[in-house]
Amino acid sequence: DAKTTQPNSMESNEEEPVHLPCNHSTISGTDYIHWYRQLPSQGPEYVIHGLTSNVNNRMASLAIAEDRKSSTLILHRATLRDAAVYYCILRVLAGSARQLTFGSGTQLTVLP
Amino acid sequence: DAGVTQSPTHLIKTRGQQVTLRCSPKSGHDTVSWYQQALGQGPQFIFQYYEEEERQRGNFPDRFSGHQFPNYSSELNVNALLLGDSALYLCASSLGLAVNEQFFGPGTRLTVL
Repeated sequence: DAKTTQPNSMESNEEEPVHLPCNHSTISGTDYIHWYRQLPSQGPEYVIHGLTSNVNNRMASLAIAEDRKSSTLILHRATLRDAAVYYCILRVLAGSARQLTFGSGTQLTVLP
Repeated sequence: DAGVTQSPTHLIKTRGQQVTLRCSPKSGHDTVSWYQQALGQGPQFIFQYYEEEERQRGNFPDRFSGHQFPNYSSELNVNALLLGDSALYLCASSLGLAVNEQFFGPGTRLTVL
């Protein structure tokens, strides 16, 4: 299975940008990069995904390295509600389905 | 629009018993995936159902089985419960197998004593 590597934890100050890194050196050409986050006592929540180009949505931006071996999730202005575990996931094609393989994620703490 | 719902919220069982967990997908979604999340770990994929068939399975024993109904709702069954089955069980729904975006329910917390 293609795997991702993330720091166990990161801290950020409220209202400042946050850059969450992810390494995926064994990524294949058909693997999409997905980010989910999980707030305390909740199920994971989709954040963003991409293949090769940088992506933006209302929640965040995803910057993908040219060789696709790493990516960065960017929260432009962290709020206290952004404190969560952030998972960087490769969407692996497996048979007739495409499953998400979660790692341990990065625990983001946002300081007031 | 109701999101993904799961029942029950919490469940306590003893070793050797059997349990059934239920999931209703988000309106309009036809694919249901189940995950097991142990404390402090990321979710682990159990299996995925589409068109009432199991389409993909993770590294889980046959004690874990499932079903999808014509209305797209789904059940997860676990037989011969072990202490190690204690976890949060998450259901996620999506439209089709492409899994561009999965919507997760709040989970069912299973405790095996």
